Amino acid sequence: DIQMTQSPSSLSASVGDRVTITCRASQSISSYLNWYQQKPGKAPKLLIYAASSLQSGVPSRFSGSGSGTDFTLTISSLQPEDFATYYCQQSYSTITFGQGTRLEIK
Amino acid sequence: EVQLVESGGGLVKPGGSLRLSCAASGFTFSSYSMNWVRQAPGKGLEWVSSISSSSSYIYYADSVKGRFTISRDNAKNSLYLQMNSLRAEDTAVYYCASPVGPTEQAMDVWGQGTTVTVSS
Repeated sequence: DIQMTQSPSSLSASVGDRVTITCRASQSISSYLNWYQQKPGKAPKLLIYAASSLQSGVPSRFSGSGSGTDFTLTISSLQPEDFATYYCQQSYSTITFGQGTRLEIK
Repeated sequence: EVQLVESGGGLVKPGGSLRLSCAASGFTFSSYSMNWVRQAPGKGLEWVSSISSSSSYIYYADSVKGRFTISRDNAKNSLYLQMNSLRAEDTAVYYCASPVGPTEQAMDVWGQGTTVTVSS
């Protein structure tokens, strides 16, 4: 199985900050990388697919980049509703998720 | 409205069985693969199983292989997960999810989840 490792595991930031979350795959996954946002008690929500494509309806402050083994999710200017847990997920082979990054208010 | 609604969760003793269902509406269910993803209390997301649109391809996580069976009934727009030999570590919220959007590679539609608790 392909292992997905996110860093950091948790992050404190303020409204208006620029935030970057990293996801590393244990082998090359081309661009088969998706990002999800999950709020407590809710189902995950797809933000970015194919490493850099913005899902319909997702604010443009979210962006993704990378290919091969190294990927990033960037939030350009944090809004109050962005404090949540973020997961990367690869679909190159049988699905695996990263362990999650909890984004908290500083 | 595109929607997935899970049901069938509950409290079951270790070694017991449970069958989860996921009812789909608002899209052509028979055209899309389907997935089960679970989340143990306070933990991250774990993929459980996938099934292709025609049931030709089925995959399981190692943690459930041989105990869980995924199936679908395209005539009823429904997805199922038969869970046998349940263990305490199977306790989780179980979500069904599907790639209905622009790519088959990302799950853009999720149900609200159904809770499975395995405890004596």
